[in-house]
Amino acid sequence: AQSVTQLDSHVSVSEGTPVLLRCNYSSSYSPSLFWYVQHPNKGLQLLLKYTSAATLVKGINGFEAEFKKSETSFHLTKPSAHMSDAAEYFCVVKRGNAGNMLTFGGGTRLMVKP
Amino acid sequence: GAVVSQHPSWVICKSGTSVKIECRSLDFQATTMFWYRQFPKQSLMLMATSNEGSKATYEQGVEKDKFLINHASLTLSTLTVTSAHPEDSSFYICSAPSPSTGLFGEQYFGPGTRLTVT
Repeated sequence: AQSVTQLDSHVSVSEGTPVLLRCNYSSSYSPSLFWYVQHPNKGLQLLLKYTSAATLVKGINGFEAEFKKSETSFHLTKPSAHMSDAAEYFCVVKRGNAGNMLTFGGGTRLMVKP
Repeated sequence: GAVVSQHPSWVICKSGTSVKIECRSLDFQATTMFWYRQFPKQSLMLMATSNEGSKATYEQGVEKDKFLINHASLTLSTLTVTSAHPEDSSFYICSAPSPSTGLFGEQYFGPGTRLTVT
């Protein structure tokens, strides 16, 4: 079985400060990991994905995530938050050999203060 | 990039009526689409896998007679909530696999449909 835990349901940062959204996973197989962002009234947008290549993955809008197998973590970071980053973020795991077994984390709402 | 649309974006219906939600892949073909349900301030839960030309595959606990799925063509899947009740009120989201990476890559998500049953 696979599962995803997003350790913080809400994160609040000031504009221009770093962002850290935490995600831990468990999977019996070699996983693929994703971060998606959901803005109000918009579809989920892929930020980045890890599929067993480089452990440090760079995504869109300045986000990146590091896959740490020893810690079973895939935390999302950004050096400097922007007001437009305020949204809901989902960490998602997919079993390596299954086409549709997406498991979503509970989500983290990122708030950015001016 | 690939786009998935949903229609309607929101719908209000009376208890006991049925509601149809459409999911379309706009510039690519999708033999498989997925339907999710998202309760307020909660995560997405996979309801079913829609397969073009064959029956949908439902996740455990999802009533297939209540949530009818029809994958009529390579670009259209529909979810019909039959005999809707207030507890069916939710945000319904569909997705389709990326045409370049297929089922083992990323998925493109629709903007969602908010259903309110009164």
